Amino acid sequence: DAKTTQPTSMDCAEGRAANLPCNHSTISGNEYVYWYRQIHSQGPQYIIHGLKNNETNEMASLIITEDRKSSTLILPHATLRDTAVYYCIVRLLFYNQGGKLIFGQGTELSVKP
Amino acid sequence: NAGVTQTPKFQVLKTGQSMTLQCAQDMNHEYMSWYRQDPGMGLRLIHYSVGAGITDQGEVPNGYNVSRSTTEDFPLRLLSAAPSQTSVYFCASSYTAGGSPLHFGNGTRLTVT
Repeated sequence: DAKTTQPTSMDCAEGRAANLPCNHSTISGNEYVYWYRQIHSQGPQYIIHGLKNNETNEMASLIITEDRKSSTLILPHATLRDTAVYYCIVRLLFYNQGGKLIFGQGTELSVKP
Repeated sequence: NAGVTQTPKFQVLKTGQSMTLQCAQDMNHEYMSWYRQDPGMGLRLIHYSVGAGITDQGEVPNGYNVSRSTTEDFPLRLLSAAPSQTSVYFCASSYTAGGSPLHFGNGTRLTVT
């Protein structure tokens, strides 16, 4: 599975958009990009995923570059409750092709009033 | 709909003791995995399974055993606990296909004295 690189920490003002980048330059054509977040010591929470196209759901938007080597998670109107560690990972199309889902260190997002 | 259930929530062991961390899911997921998380660090994969009867090692498998006799259950065994195994343990499951997100349990906080 491809590895990902994220900034260690970021700040964002409350009410503004938070843009979290992720580099996955070795991603292959059959790997998805996934985003999770972890608040305090709770279990990680799924946010969004995509393969090639940009995706949007009620929580966030995911922008994947055309060459698929990087992506950006966008929280359109960050709130204090969005303060968390955000993880970007890549996953093969089918687990029986390889199940080692490796999480990196993630980005610690601090939303400030 | 219980999702992923981990028991116990908290456990204190003495060095050398053995125990089993339980993980059960009721979503008919083929893929299950165990992660550990140490203070200030990301999630590290211990073992995973892509289906009943199939298990494989992750990044940090030493000191841990797993088995997968049913689709629903994926217990993690510590044969001889060591202080280095003090950590928070998360179980996660998913459908086999990479287009399906991981669902995480709420974690087991283990202290080895």
